Amino acid sequence: AQSVTQPDIHITVSEGASLELRCNYSYGATPYLFWYVQSPGQGLQLLLKYFSGDTLVQGIKGFEAEFKRSQSSFNLRKPSVHWSDAAEYFCAVSNTGGFKTIFGAGTRLFVKA
Amino acid sequence: GAGVSQSPSNKVTEKGKDVELRCDPISGHTALYWYRQSLGQGLEFLIYFQGNSAPDKSGLPSDRFSAERTGGSVSTLTIQRTQQEDSAVYLCASSLEQGNEQFFGPGTRLTVL
Repeated sequence: AQSVTQPDIHITVSEGASLELRCNYSYGATPYLFWYVQSPGQGLQLLLKYFSGDTLVQGIKGFEAEFKRSQSSFNLRKPSVHWSDAAEYFCAVSNTGGFKTIFGAGTRLFVKA
Repeated sequence: GAGVSQSPSNKVTEKGKDVELRCDPISGHTALYWYRQSLGQGLEFLIYFQGNSAPDKSGLPSDRFSAERTGGSVSTLTIQRTQQEDSAVYLCASSLEQGNEQFFGPGTRLTVL
């Protein structure tokens, strides 16, 4: 069965510091992988997605993620965090058909000045 | 340009009552999804509709939950005989076609007293 694990429930980083949010998935075939962000009082928004091709994908707001098949990981990174990045981040995986999407439990990011 | 809309935004009901939650997807989107987000939890997949195909109901937690999508557009999620554990935010999303970005509505916060 598909599953997504986000090992960190919450992370605190200083503004300007680099960020990496971890995501591990379990899926028998090549998955579709996503990162979504949920800002306080706002709906979920797609940051980036991986379907195939280049394993390093660029997203909005300066985020990127790297698909590593050997590690079953799709970690999200940002070189320099801004206070406005404080939010909850969800990793998600869907099957090749792309319909049923399984979300991780989320990682809440706190940014300190 | 209208996004995904949901109504009501908030619903407070008494245990044992039935509730209906509505979702208006983005026009032209063929896929529609329902998720449940409990406090501090990730998104729990409930059901998705794709065009005229039979919906995938595998995520519905019990037979008290049902959903329909009329005319390939508006969807209603019905919870019968509500229980306190049904309290959560119910999110609807739509996408243009399989595997593409899901656009989320603002959610309906359901509180069962």
